[in-house]
Amino acid sequence: DAGVIQSPRHEVTEMGQEVTLRCKPISGHNSLFWYRQTMMRGLELLIYFNNNVPIDDSGMPEDRFSAKMPNASFSTLKIQPSEPRDSAVYFCASSYFNNEQFFGPGTRLTVL
Amino acid sequence: SQKIEQNSEALNIQEGKTATLTCNYTNYSPAYLQWYRQDPGRGPVFLLLIRENEKEKRKERLKVTFDTTLKQSLFHITASQPADSATYLCALEGYGGSQGNLIFGKGTKLSVKP
Repeated sequence: DAGVIQSPRHEVTEMGQEVTLRCKPISGHNSLFWYRQTMMRGLELLIYFNNNVPIDDSGMPEDRFSAKMPNASFSTLKIQPSEPRDSAVYFCASSYFNNEQFFGPGTRLTVL
Repeated sequence: SQKIEQNSEALNIQEGKTATLTCNYTNYSPAYLQWYRQDPGRGPVFLLLIRENEKEKRKERLKVTFDTTLKQSLFHITASQPADSATYLCALEGYGGSQGNLIFGKGTKLSVKP
C-alpha cells in the first residue's frame, strides 16, 4: 500500500493567490482528516470527513478555507485568497472507523 | 478550553536509559489517548492507543500509562537507542460526536545520545 498521498509536497505562492492541496487516502479507509502544523500552534485539526461527509469543520480558520471530498479516494483543501499567515505544513490523514490515523508526508506551503 | 501540555519541549538522554515523556491535560475527559512519533520532514506515525479504562499498555520497548484521576499519561521507551530520537506527540480523543477529533500536544523532542 502506498499510504496517504499528498500533492504537491511544496508550494510557494504569492499573497492573494488560490492554493489547492490534494490528498488520496488509504484505500478502504472511511475517515479523512486535514491538519495544519506550525511551530507556534503545533498540529491542529482543520476538518474531518466520515464516508465523504464533513463532520466537523470547526477548526477551519475562516471562510478563505474550504475542503471537499467528492469521493472516497480524493479530497482537496483550498485557500482563496492565500495570506502569509497561512504558511505552514498541511497534513492529510486517514483512518478506518476513527482508529489510528495514518498521515501523509505533508505539503509545505509558503505564502509570500 | 481544553489544554494539553507535554512536559518539555526537549529531552536529552543517554543510550540505554529509559526515556519518560509526560502528557497532561485539563478541561477534558478523553475516551482515548494516542501517542505518535514524528521525524523531521515527515508526518506523524501512530505508536500506541490507550483507552480511558486501561491503566497501562505495552508494545515492545514502549509502555504507556493513563491516569484519568491525575489527567496524565506517561510514555516510556526502555533501552533507548539513537534511532528513537524524534518528536513524540500525545493526542486526546473524545466520545461519540468527538470521536476522530484528535487534539494534539505540541510534542517533546527526544534526543538519545550514543
